[in-house]
Amino acid sequence: GAVVSQHPSRVICKSGTSVKIECRSLDFQATTMFWYRQFPKQSLMLMATSNEGSKATYEQGVEKDKFLINHASLTLSTLTVTSAHPEDSSFYICSASPGVGQPQHFGDGTRLSIL
Amino acid sequence: AQTVTQSQPEMSVQEAETVTLSCTYDTSESDYYLFWYKQPPSRQMILVIRQEAYKQQNATENRFSVNFQKAAKSFSLKISDSQLGDAAMYFCAYSGGSNYKLTFGKGTLLTVNP
Repeated sequence: GAVVSQHPSRVICKSGTSVKIECRSLDFQATTMFWYRQFPKQSLMLMATSNEGSKATYEQGVEKDKFLINHASLTLSTLTVTSAHPEDSSFYICSASPGVGQPQHFGDGTRLSIL
Repeated sequence: AQTVTQSQPEMSVQEAETVTLSCTYDTSESDYYLFWYKQPPSRQMILVIRQEAYKQQNATENRFSVNFQKAAKSFSLKISDSQLGDAAMYFCAYSGGSNYKLTFGKGTLLTVNP
């Protein structure tokens, strides 16, 4: 069964809406989780590293105020896309690992469509 | 910075045949991990195989095996007895020894022909 749960799997909403995506590690505690964005037929692009109890680390070019990350517990990280616009439409995936060098376990992804 | 290169954007194989997907990487670290992930049309990321850099023995998982050449910084994936369900995008990924962060290659789209 899935060890990382991501919800929701699909969101369709109007421009200007804020959307929250949850990522939960089910079988282990994760002090670090990752958020990726994937465009069609492309690789995963790391957006940010979510750190439990501290600020997220964003990759270059990713707007912190647009993509808010909260990692309030050892099993939950959330990504909020604020005031979403059509260009934010994409596939977002989270991952977590039980330890350094251990494989990342991925959520099933969230397909976000902004109208 | 670490980089991962997959030089084959697309590959195809006949069912029951063997195919090898290439991956090279660049790093200055001595301790690291390498992975192959599979992403079928459902877009779920599935771990195929994992290799620890300090291990000389090549990892195997049933029909999947790797050819890990540390000096050449090469990490190819061999799929034996290919099945229709193997059709997917395959990503090679690198993780440094002190860090969880994954660096992905651009992927290779594998088609399996019946």
